Amino acid sequence: AQSVSQHNHHVILSEAASLELGCNYSYGGTVNLFWYVQYPGQHLQLLLKYFSGDPLVKGIKGFEAEFIKSKFSFNLRKPSVQWSDTAEYFCAVIHNNAGNMLTFGGGTRLMVKP
Amino acid sequence: DVKVTQSSRYLVKRTGEKVFLECVQDMDHENMFWYRQDPGLGLRLIYFSYDVKMKEKGDIPEGYSVSREKKERFSLILESASTNQTSMYLCAHTTSGATPGNVQFFGPGTRLTVL
Repeated sequence: AQSVSQHNHHVILSEAASLELGCNYSYGGTVNLFWYVQYPGQHLQLLLKYFSGDPLVKGIKGFEAEFIKSKFSFNLRKPSVQWSDTAEYFCAVIHNNAGNMLTFGGGTRLMVKP
Repeated sequence: DVKVTQSSRYLVKRTGEKVFLECVQDMDHENMFWYRQDPGLGLRLIYFSYDVKMKEKGDIPEGYSVSREKKERFSLILESASTNQTSMYLCAHTTSGATPGNVQFFGPGTRLTVL
């Protein structure tokens, strides 16, 4: 079965620090990849997605992610975090044999200190 | 603006009670999903539905059932609630039929506590 691993469960950064959150998935076929964000008390929202084409994907609020097929990875990055980036971040994967079934990673809680 | 509503934000029930969680979407989307969210485990799929009266088991269907009588409404049922079903429950739906990779839109969640 498909699995998604997020290696960092909790990350604490100071404002202006750079961020990289790891995400690895297990399926070897064609995949679609997502990062979702959940701000405190709010819904899950889509941050960015990769379907095909340029493996470097840019999302909202200055986030980007790079799909590296050989490493089965889709790490999320931001060069300079802000206090408002404090949230929980979820990596998710659909492989093309699974219709619309998303498999989520365990989530990473990011706290940005002002 | 996409809107997904869930019947309650917070719910407290007793062990053995029957619990209904309801989700309504206003986008006429075929696919709807129920997840539970637990710390460190991310979101796990309980059931999904790709059409009225159609349902498929997800990764953790045990102890749950679902009902999809109308396209806009997808209900999650706990026949006999147990304490290990204390969790945050999230409903989601996707923009169109069976095309892989469509973005899922999530509701605000229902935090269920079973005493």
